[in-house]
Amino acid sequence: ETGVTQSPTHLIKTRGQQVTLRCSSQSGHNTVSWYQQALGQGPQFIFQYYREEENGRGNFPPRFSGLQFPNYSSELNVNALELDDSALYLCASSTSARGQETQYFGPGTRLLVL
Amino acid sequence: QKEVEQDPGPLSVPEGAIVSLNCTYSNSAFQYFMWYRQYSRKGPELLMYTYSSGNKEDGRFTAQVDKSSKYISLFIRDSQPSDSATYLCAMSAPPSNTGKLIFGQGTTLQVKP
Repeated sequence: ETGVTQSPTHLIKTRGQQVTLRCSSQSGHNTVSWYQQALGQGPQFIFQYYREEENGRGNFPPRFSGLQFPNYSSELNVNALELDDSALYLCASSTSARGQETQYFGPGTRLLVL
Repeated sequence: QKEVEQDPGPLSVPEGAIVSLNCTYSNSAFQYFMWYRQYSRKGPELLMYTYSSGNKEDGRFTAQVDKSSKYISLFIRDSQPSDSATYLCAMSAPPSNTGKLIFGQGTTLQVKP
């Protein structure tokens, strides 16, 4: 176990709805990254938060947004859900954002959009 | 063309076999190379972490990086049924100020008793 927790484990939404996913980082980690993993694919980087500021973003539209809190827990928000948003959403925490630190992944939240 | 290419398999081997998993990449800036193992319906778990070129061994696992060929490998010796999982290669390119990891598609491995 990595010490990274995510909630909920599963979620079913309908197209057009909004969703909030939550992540609790490993103790001592101040950086969290979010990834989307479609079925049969590798994870794709959505964005990273370092000390409550967005610190890099992948090729995802603005309806994907996030927050990091003072205790370094984090949220991923997705507005106007589309069918293609169905995926496993993973968060990963690390000790800093310099790029060479090990990222420890949580178990993920599986989102199904109908 | 994807930045990181990985044969999705599936790869099926008998227990005790030596397994070779590979990734190729196109971005010469990649410096850090990782292998993650992902069991069904779980998050990725870090197996091996290598900086630049060379070999690294940990128990039954050996990671190799050949930056001149833009090619990385993971070898599993004496494979066990518990090794059955999806193996993901991942890379990053410091000194970027983000920890963005670029993943391969993942190779599904089945080790048969």
